[in-house]
Amino acid sequence: SQQGEEDPQALSIQEGENATMNCSYKTSINNLQWYRQNSGRGLVHLILIRSNEREKHSGRLRVTLDTSKKSSSLLITASRAADTASYFCATESGGSNYKLTFGKGTLLTVNP
Amino acid sequence: EPEVTQTPSHQVTQMGQEVILRCVPISNHLYFYWYRQILGQKVEFLVSFYNNEISEKSEIFDDQFSVERPDGSNFTLKIRSTKLEDSAMYFCASKGAGLSGIQYFGPGTRLLVL
Repeated sequence: SQQGEEDPQALSIQEGENATMNCSYKTSINNLQWYRQNSGRGLVHLILIRSNEREKHSGRLRVTLDTSKKSSSLLITASRAADTASYFCATESGGSNYKLTFGKGTLLTVNP
Repeated sequence: EPEVTQTPSHQVTQMGQEVILRCVPISNHLYFYWYRQILGQKVEFLVSFYNNEISEKSEIFDDQFSVERPDGSNFTLKIRSTKLEDSAMYFCASKGAGLSGIQYFGPGTRLLVL
């Protein structure tokens, strides 16, 4: 089964608009994390939400988690051109290794 | 702020050659990982390492791959005989002690096998 499937695959918005990306997963999780990747670069951790949390905020980021639906959303408010990047959700599931399973990502383009 | 570092940033090698990718995890972290990302695809787990041994490995991590923590700071991934399909970005990550928490990723090594 595929864990951490994001949608949409690509999203293009104007600066100042909000961007919402969704992630679905199939197995139970310890937590769900969102990462950002600029083209061809490293993964930057954005936010982590634990399985017993429903919503979390960090600056312009808002993450929700619905474990009954096995889904999460990442909202970026008041987007900027510098937010242009790929965004990945990654789930950490049971077990003691804490490995992450990534989705395919959403490519966000914010037009100035 | 502490960060994970990786060297080299880019490596080009001939098919069949051995490569060693190096990582320096965050100093007080206990869990170490290698992931890879083939161009345009998602990030895939390769191997996790804890208490000086492999704790889990994926199907991708076959006999051609090995990991080592030769001293208290470095964490290496060796590919013994590279194949064309090993071309990818390889990420090292580390995590601190305790229950689930943030994995910090290095900037990656882009490996190109010709």
